[in-house]
Amino acid sequence: GAGVSQSPSNKVTEKGKDVELRCDPISGHTALYWYRQSLGQGLEFLIYFQGNSAPDKSGLPSDRFSAERTGGSVSTLTIQRTQQEDSAVYLCASSPTLGAFFGQGTRLTVV
Amino acid sequence: QKEVEQNSGPLSVPEGAIASLNCTYSDRGSQSFFWYRQYSGKSPELIMSIYSNGDKEDGRFTAQLNKASQYVSLLIRDSQPSDSATYLCAVSKTGANNLFFGTGTRLTVIP
Repeated sequence: GAGVSQSPSNKVTEKGKDVELRCDPISGHTALYWYRQSLGQGLEFLIYFQGNSAPDKSGLPSDRFSAERTGGSVSTLTIQRTQQEDSAVYLCASSPTLGAFFGQGTRLTVV
Repeated sequence: QKEVEQNSGPLSVPEGAIASLNCTYSDRGSQSFFWYRQYSGKSPELIMSIYSNGDKEDGRFTAQLNKASQYVSLLIRDSQPSDSATYLCAVSKTGANNLFFGTGTRLTVIP
């Protein structure tokens, strides 16, 4: 497809379980971002990848969160030992140089 | 101090009026400025970008940038009910390309 693709669209998990969220960026885009958005709130920056540079992890809220980007393309955001406060929409965006284009998001619900 | 600040609103305008949305940013080194529109339950959509002082027009939308005042605005002429959404301002800093978002302004266009 032409856009940013995220999977799954929805994920319900039990507290304490680990989850993996996937992002397929637009082909050729060198930059990739992860944000999360709680209901009615703004975008919270999580992590940023740019080419082969070390990622900017300054937004990750705790060491339970990690992300990787393989081959400069697909990215996976992993949340270990999920907590109820992790419930949010997780948004991935990719960018060629300036501006960013978002996927449809993954709605995570921790019960 | 937040990187990007917006009035959260809500802002209500009658159909056909001009909607004016404002954004200030803290880092004078910022070089690239973006406006995103986010409908309820959807992902942000890039609608305007501006890089130089002055105005940039695209259809009913005009972005205005004043770097001296660290101020970006979005004007929507002939507002339509379909323009009702949350508008997010985003700023990219020199050399980092990380995107910082404001919390968004909720706009309602009243028929």
